[in-house]
Amino acid sequence: ETGVTQSPTHLIKTRGQQVTLRCSSQSGHNTVSWYQQALGQGPQFIFQYYREEENGRGNFPPRFSGLQFPNYSSELNVNALELDDSALYLCASSLGGYGNTIYFGEGSWLTVV
Amino acid sequence: AQTVTQSQPEMSVQEAETVTLSCTYDTSESDYYLFWYKQPPSRQMILVIRQEAYKQQNATENRFSVNFQKAAKSFSLKISDSQLGDAAMYFCAYSRNTGNQFYFGTGTSLTVIP
Repeated sequence: ETGVTQSPTHLIKTRGQQVTLRCSSQSGHNTVSWYQQALGQGPQFIFQYYREEENGRGNFPPRFSGLQFPNYSSELNVNALELDDSALYLCASSLGGYGNTIYFGEGSWLTVV
Repeated sequence: AQTVTQSQPEMSVQEAETVTLSCTYDTSESDYYLFWYKQPPSRQMILVIRQEAYKQQNATENRFSVNFQKAAKSFSLKISDSQLGDAAMYFCAYSRNTGNQFYFGTGTSLTVIP
């Protein structure tokens, strides 16, 4: 049990729609990262938020956006959904700094049809 | 660019035996961190072990230990006295000392045979 919670656990969306995924970080953690894990692959870094500011971004288009709130919880928003966006979306929290261990939630399974 | 390679898509081990999972990585950095994460069918990634590159001593956590070969850019995980609960996907990951991104390999699926 990492203390990182994500919602919803599963959802199905239609191509072109928009989706919002939510994450509550572990108590005391001020940094949240989001990863996309396609079936049979390792997680791919989407972006990270530190104290409500985006603090690094992976190779994902602008239709992937996020927010971090004052309580350090976070949202991942994906607009104009494509079939290839179907994946497990993992949220991970950490206590700032570089090289610190990140602790994952159980993920949100997104299926785009 | 940082890449992490796990060349063993699947491995199996008899219960109570020892198994080693391989991982290599590519980096031009001298200071970085390496991790092994376990992902059981529940899909939650769980930290197994962490290694700091500036430490020559190999990290150990109970039945889990690593063989860190910095010059060879190799970071293997040894699981001793394997248990049924060790069955999972294992991911090797790399993080730069000045970076906020983790780079993951494609994973090794470990089966434990009773």
